[in-house]
Amino acid sequence: IAGITQAPTSQILAAGRRMTLRCTQDMRHNAMYWYRQDLGLGLRLIHYSNTAGTTGKGEVPDGYSVSRANTDDFPLTLASAVPSQTSVYFCASRALAFTGELFFGEGSRLTVL
Amino acid sequence: EDQVTQSPEALRLQEGESSSLNCSYTVSGLRGLFWYRQDPGKGPEFLFTLYSAGEEKEKERLKATLTKKESFLHITAPKPEDSATYLCAVGNAGNMLTFGGGTRLMVKP
Repeated sequence: IAGITQAPTSQILAAGRRMTLRCTQDMRHNAMYWYRQDLGLGLRLIHYSNTAGTTGKGEVPDGYSVSRANTDDFPLTLASAVPSQTSVYFCASRALAFTGELFFGEGSRLTVL
Repeated sequence: EDQVTQSPEALRLQEGESSSLNCSYTVSGLRGLFWYRQDPGKGPEFLFTLYSAGEEKEKERLKATLTKKESFLHITAPKPEDSATYLCAVGNAGNMLTFGGGTRLMVKP
């Protein structure tokens, strides 16, 4: 049972470079999310998608973009990385509009130098 | 703006020493309060959903309770394997979740 797969697991990136974090789920969930987790700040929502073809902005969307071309994939792109984007990024999904039960990936640790 | 505050930030217990974690919240139209467990280097894992004040949920040594302003996660006779970070989140009328900063629990044998 794979659930949610994120790649890469870890990446060191030079400031100004473009980076895409990949997220794939095999549960056929409609809703998908991207969070960043920083010490002391908890999980903060970056972008979300309630269904394929739609996306929305979360609490901290600046500097990030997403797309949802199909049900399974939800990539997160940093167009021009900055050091403040150093964080652990989690992709999550849930089956229904509101169950509260999010399924998370293992995370992608990104360091921007 | 929805807010979730968890306390304490860290908690050290001896094996068998029961205690409680607190989650205080303000939310526009509570649609549910959720507890997650997160192990180091892993993604959060869902534990409980509580929908209304007075509701309780149990799983092994964990029991979650809910009032109109806060939730408690009670840990009875904890074991070292209960060591993890416990996250609380609230869902609002727009079906969005807001997470607290978490409580890092360490249980020593």
